[in-house]
Amino acid sequence: EVQLVESGGGLVQPGRSLKLSCAASGFTFSDYNMAWVRQAPKKGLEWVATIIYDGSRTYYRDSVKGRFTISRDNAKSTLYLQMDSLRSEDTATYYCATHSATFDYWGQGVMVTVSS
Amino acid sequence: EIVLTQSPTTTAASPGEKVTITCLASSSVSNMYWYQQKSGASPKLLIYSTSSLASGVPDRFSGSGSGTSYSLTINTMEAEDAATYYCQQWSSNPLTFGSGTKLEIK
Repeated sequence: EVQLVESGGGLVQPGRSLKLSCAASGFTFSDYNMAWVRQAPKKGLEWVATIIYDGSRTYYRDSVKGRFTISRDNAKSTLYLQMDSLRSEDTATYYCATHSATFDYWGQGVMVTVSS
Repeated sequence: EIVLTQSPTTTAASPGEKVTITCLASSSVSNMYWYQQKSGASPKLLIYSTSSLASGVPDRFSGSGSGTSYSLTINTMEAEDAATYYCQQWSSNPLTFGSGTKLEIK
């Protein structure tokens, strides 16, 4: 059974940093592109970033470029999102997901609140 | 950026009723994808490549469309179909989602 379990969320002040993790199991992690998708409270879904299966390429939405870094450790079957210079508009539930053309499997999400 | 406009924003249907949700793209896309998100849960893939059902999705769901106009249809509404539905495209960067359609049971 595919499982994606996010961790690392919480309350953080504007301008500070936070690192999310996503532990994967039940599939060959190193074969899959992975992504982060977020959802602000009571709002819709927003793609954040994608990393290719071998980590060779990354893609970001404009609003997080230069502030967020997606990475992966295939030996540990773990996906990461380093979030720096956080803003109030980054407040959301962050989901990790496998990413082909679609997001086939999703984690349960982790809440990030950016507030002073 | 391709903007996806879903309609209606909110709707309600009785059990057995047919439901259609529309997704209009601001530019032509080659494929559309649909997700279902129940309250408090993660999204779930429903439809890929415009009209193909994801694994385990009941065949009362179907997708169609081309160019800038796509739709998701539920042939016979069931109580468990109450959820928010999102369309998604990746024909053009950045990948974008529609704003969602909340479907309630009458």
